[in-house]
Amino acid sequence: GAVVSQHPSWVICKSGTSVKIECRSLDFQATTMFWYRQFPKQSLMLMATSNEGSKATYEQGVEKDKFLINHASLTLSTLTVTSAHPEDSSFYICSAITSGRVTDTQYFGPGTRLTVL
Amino acid sequence: DAKTTQPNSMESNEEEPVHLPCNHSTISGTDYIHWYRQLPSQGPEYVIHGLTSNVNNRMASLAIAEDRKSSTLILHRATLRDAAVYYCISASLRGKLIFGQGTTLQVKP
Repeated sequence: GAVVSQHPSWVICKSGTSVKIECRSLDFQATTMFWYRQFPKQSLMLMATSNEGSKATYEQGVEKDKFLINHASLTLSTLTVTSAHPEDSSFYICSAITSGRVTDTQYFGPGTRLTVL
Repeated sequence: DAKTTQPNSMESNEEEPVHLPCNHSTISGTDYIHWYRQLPSQGPEYVIHGLTSNVNNRMASLAIAEDRKSSTLILHRATLRDAAVYYCISASLRGKLIFGQGTTLQVKP
């Protein structure tokens, strides 16, 4: 149980276009989802916390107008990278916390590799 | 969230136990110690977490010092598939996780 999927697994786009990444909890309801990005040979950096039905909370230094997060249901959160540029190329990873068991921790998706040309 | 300190890298031989240390000297009384690992080009995988008592699961054991300022992740018999970056994070149970640099574990056949 506790499987998180991401779609697409990889995407290549031209500079200036927008890209949407989906994060789904497949077998549980997630009241909270998190978005991270990871540059090569670096650790994960938390971008934002997304709660179902409310606005996302962004970490300091993350542009909320550039990285649009929507958490419209208990099983789906989306991250849209608007007007992507080469410096946005990165590995984007989401995670989710179940809304049920109190002792649960975060479950991570497999990641989405974004390459902006 | 409290900062954790881990060695950059460690090596182990296959089928031998591995002890991965973590220091979290400024951990708050309510923060848990979480361990995740990440294989190349994959999302992190939950390993184990604990508050005060030692914890065991099918993947590993977590030994927490009595003063909670340090902990050790124990892989009882390392396999080649255990080669990964291991992250030790102190955080509230359902709160955000701030990842440090982690320990890169190499397992030699």
